[in-house]
Amino acid sequence: EVQLVESGGGVVQAGGSLRLSCAASGFTFSTFWMHWVRQAPGKGLVWVSRINSDVTTTDYADSVKGRFTISRDNAKNTLYLQMNSLRADDTAVYYCARAGVPAANDLWGQGTLVTVSP
Amino acid sequence: QSALTQPPSASGSPGQSVTISCTGTSSDVGGYNFVSWYQQHPGKAPKLIIYEVNKRPSGVPDRFSGSKSGNTASLTVSGLQAEDEADYYCYSYAGRNNVFGTGTRVAIL
Repeated sequence: EVQLVESGGGVVQAGGSLRLSCAASGFTFSTFWMHWVRQAPGKGLVWVSRINSDVTTTDYADSVKGRFTISRDNAKNTLYLQMNSLRADDTAVYYCARAGVPAANDLWGQGTLVTVSP
Repeated sequence: QSALTQPPSASGSPGQSVTISCTGTSSDVGGYNFVSWYQQHPGKAPKLIIYEVNKRPSGVPDRFSGSKSGNTASLTVSGLQAEDEADYYCYSYAGRNNVFGTGTRVAIL
């Protein structure tokens, strides 16, 4: 089955760190750009970061630049998001998504909730 | 990296059509033909319904269509059905980043 499964969410204190994982299966993970997108409770979708297939390009939203790091292990079919210096406004459901068509995300995980307590 | 502007809400009766606008700038919507649209039901992950302005992924009904003029993209849902009641987001490539719209809640009257 073609799917993405996120894990690693939880409750963390402000200033703390968390690493999210996204396990891919059913497709050739190593050939796709991958993205992280987040959604605060009751709010809209916000693009967070992206990484290309061979890890030569990473981009970030200004709100997370310098605090979050996207990475991937193509041998393990896994995408990561290392989140440091977490703030209350980072509280959100974090989705990983595949860019299976040009500049669009055609496959999404179910999301993992990150809660940052003050 | 300002969010693209969408109307907060839209509505229509079953069988009618609704059009949602998505306004950006020449650095995102107007600069590339890489606008996509997503449907999100409560508690669910987003679903891609339009990419590259007007292309539909396999399995998406042709009731959904997209277009673009200048810095504004649009999504039209024709023949509204009960299951179309959801949140809709536009999304654009913008060079070294991507940006979502503010979202539009579509209600079926």
